[in-house]
Amino acid sequence: SYVLTQPPSVSVAPGQTARITCGGNNIGSKSVHWYQQKPGQAPVLVVYDDSDRPSGIPERFSGSNSGNTATLTISRVEAGDEADYYCQVWDSSSDHPGVFGTGTKVTVL
Amino acid sequence: EVQLVESGGGLVQPGGSLRLSCAASGFTFSSYSMNWVRQAPGKGLEWVSYISSSSSTIYYADSVKGRFTISRDNAKNSLYLQMNSLRAEDTAVYYCARVGYEHRYYFDYWGQGTLVTVSS
Repeated sequence: SYVLTQPPSVSVAPGQTARITCGGNNIGSKSVHWYQQKPGQAPVLVVYDDSDRPSGIPERFSGSNSGNTATLTISRVEAGDEADYYCQVWDSSSDHPGVFGTGTKVTVL
Repeated sequence: EVQLVESGGGLVQPGGSLRLSCAASGFTFSSYSMNWVRQAPGKGLEWVSYISSSSSTIYYADSVKGRFTISRDNAKNSLYLQMNSLRAEDTAVYYCARVGYEHRYYFDYWGQGTLVTVSS
């Protein structure tokens, strides 16, 4: 089955840029979606289809996807961005197509 | 306003059964595919199951195949997950999540989750 690998943690100072990677075999050929989850809350979609933002999500959140790595970039990081982030793809070639990444804890220093 | 409200969680013994429900409102439920996603305590998200808008297509994670059954009642705007032969490793918060756009398979709305605890 398809595997998505994320770094367990990323630390960033306020105002700086956080980059969260999501590695998968030829992930550039798939659409990647990203979710933010704060403690005790349900996940929230922050980027879909590699780089699109749902309404209400700040422009500080952006995404890219190429080759074997997709990246979620958070610019001008704020304290409120501290959360767990998960990438997700749909592996249409599989009979168990839903796949989430391992998750990355973003800590704002 | 789109709302998804899960219910039916609780404490169950290993080998037991439980049926989760997800009540949908604020959108045309019959037009959207739905999923169940779970999260074990302190762990990451795990996709569990998918059902298309008409129930014609259903998928399961290998970890639950043969034990869990997803279904929906479009007349009642409700999604269900029948869980049988429960194991300790099924302990998790279970979320229902809507597919935002057919064949794009991102989850744009989530419920608040319901906790299932499997323990003797």
